[in-house]
Amino acid sequence: GNSVTQMEGPVTLSEEAFLTINCTYTATGYPSLFWYVQYPGEGLQLLLKATKADDKGSNKGFEATYRKETTSFHLEKGSVQVSDSAVYFCALSGPSNDYKLSFGAGTTVTVRA
Amino acid sequence: KAGVTQTPRYLIKTRGQQVTLSCSPISGHRSVSWYQQTPGQGLQFLFEYFSETQRNKGNFPGRFSGRQFSNSRSEMNVSTLELGDSALYLCASSLDGSAEAFFGQGTRLTVV
Repeated sequence: GNSVTQMEGPVTLSEEAFLTINCTYTATGYPSLFWYVQYPGEGLQLLLKATKADDKGSNKGFEATYRKETTSFHLEKGSVQVSDSAVYFCALSGPSNDYKLSFGAGTTVTVRA
Repeated sequence: KAGVTQTPRYLIKTRGQQVTLSCSPISGHRSVSWYQQTPGQGLQFLFEYFSETQRNKGNFPGRFSGRQFSNSRSEMNVSTLELGDSALYLCASSLDGSAEAFFGQGTRLTVV
């Protein structure tokens, strides 16, 4: 079945540092890939997505590229802020007729001023 | 446009009781999915409904059930509560299940 493996945390960074969270997946066919973010006490918010190989999703300075050859979807941000402190989840859905998201374990990111 | 609304936000129940959680999806969305989030197991898929039909179900015991109404609102029910059912229950809606999902803030269930 589908599965997602992401970098274990916690990750602690200083403001303006570079952030990378690794994510690899196992799935048949061509799933859609997502990064979700969860702030304390909140639900999940979609951060970015990519639906086919070599697609790059981007939002709020975050980027991730769908790499079929390495089955990866690593999240990056060039200069983090304190407000980026949250838990980040990599997820996949599909291929077609699989109406559910499979999530990684989540990576807690703390950014210090 | 209003987001996904889950009620109640917090619940405290006693072992053996049952509980019903509610989810109102984004207007126009016909797919509603439920997830359980715990520190030990992470985010796990419970079930997905589309046009009042359950299309997919996760690996949870029969004590966990759900339904969807004609207006796409959904409820999930947990009977004979156990301590291990304490979790954040998240509802997500999407247009048809294959598009991106939008999550509610969740219902925090504590079983004592």
